[in-house]
Amino acid sequence: AQSVTQLDSHVSVSEGTPVLLRCNYSSSYSPSLFWYVQHPNKGLQLLLKYTSAATLVKGINGFEAEFKKSETSFHLTKPSAHMSDAAEYFCVVTYNAGNNRKLIWGLGTSLAVNP
Amino acid sequence: DTAVSQTPKYLVTQMGNDKSIKCEQNLGHDTMYWYKQDSKKFLKIMFSYNNKELIINETVPNRFSPKSPDKAHLNLHINSLELGDSAVYFCASSQLAGGRPGELFFGEGSRLTVL
Repeated sequence: AQSVTQLDSHVSVSEGTPVLLRCNYSSSYSPSLFWYVQHPNKGLQLLLKYTSAATLVKGINGFEAEFKKSETSFHLTKPSAHMSDAAEYFCVVTYNAGNNRKLIWGLGTSLAVNP
Repeated sequence: DTAVSQTPKYLVTQMGNDKSIKCEQNLGHDTMYWYKQDSKKFLKIMFSYNNKELIINETVPNRFSPKSPDKAHLNLHINSLELGDSAVYFCASSQLAGGRPGELFFGEGSRLTVL
């Protein structure tokens, strides 16, 4: 079965330090991978996506992620955290197989940024 | 101009009542979704409509009935509300034709509290 695992439910960093949010997936097919962000009491917003082009993907707000097929990973990083990055982050995978595609959502990682 | 708008934003009601949540998107997308987010932030797909046709219908009690009068609207009606229905319900849209699955645009959510 296809699945996605966010390895940390909570991550806490200091402002100005790097952010790493980890995501692994299991896949029998070629995946498309996404990261979404949800700020408190808001809807979700697409941060970035990988759809079989460049393996290093840049997104909004200075975030990027690297697709590593050998490690089945799609970790989200940012060189320097900002207070406004505090939010819930979701890793999502969908598969290029068939028309009725389902999205498989991770359980989310809550990012806290300390001053 | 809000891309995906849902109303009401907050809903407080008694057990056993019936309530509806409305959603509209002005992005011209062909697919709309309802997601439920519980208190632990876990996101669960409930329904998806593509061009007014139901394409995803997860294991959801039949007290929940979606209705899509046209491509731009997807409403959710809930009968005989129970305490466990308390959650935030998110509407989302995407464009499946042309191959953009996974790129969802979310509304701001409707927080349902059942007393």
